[in-house]
Amino acid sequence: DAGVTQSPTHLIKTRGQQVTLRCSPKSGHDTVSWYQQALGQGPQFIFQYYEEEERQRGNFPDRFSGHQFPNYSSELNVNALLLGDSALYLCASSLVGGLQETQYFGPGTRLLVL
Amino acid sequence: GENVEQHPSTLSVQEGDSAVIKCTYSDSASNYFPWYKQELGKRPQLIIDIRSNVGEKKDQRIAVTLNKTAKHFSLHITETQPEDSAVYFCAASKGDSWGKLQFGAGTQVVVTP
Repeated sequence: DAGVTQSPTHLIKTRGQQVTLRCSPKSGHDTVSWYQQALGQGPQFIFQYYEEEERQRGNFPDRFSGHQFPNYSSELNVNALLLGDSALYLCASSLVGGLQETQYFGPGTRLLVL
Repeated sequence: GENVEQHPSTLSVQEGDSAVIKCTYSDSASNYFPWYKQELGKRPQLIIDIRSNVGEKKDQRIAVTLNKTAKHFSLHITETQPEDSAVYFCAASKGDSWGKLQFGAGTQVVVTP
């Protein structure tokens, strides 16, 4: 049973560029959440996708956008990269239903913006 | 919105001793409280969680307690081992937030042999 996977593992970009990160959820899961984790900090919620729609968003600018595909995989896009976007980007998958959604994290994509 | 505070930021314990990490939350509507362990360079791993209808939950050497009135919850690790060394994060979410997790800042736990 495959867990949450992400690609690429590492990425180096320059300011102003655009980046796309990818996530495949754990088998049987239908919801993907994205988090940004700056060095030495806890993960910060970016947004969540369910049924191919963004259903919850954190305090991130519109430069951060996403997509969910019919197979439940997801992409995170960041436009006009800033130095402050350098972080570990984590996706977490869960299954809608029940009282709460337990989330399982992928290994992350480490983005460095120069 | 929800705010989660976590203490201490670092914790050094001798192998075999107990470790306790405490978190407080601000939104009384929060009803789900997971704990994640993150080793250096690895993904956060769910180690235990608790829901608001339960006051305490145990899993081998790990336990979590929840005080809804005071709005705080704690992670207890007994008989610590060197492999318990990691950063531990608490988090909170509420039913109408579709599973959005608000994390604490993390606690670096170092277990010395």
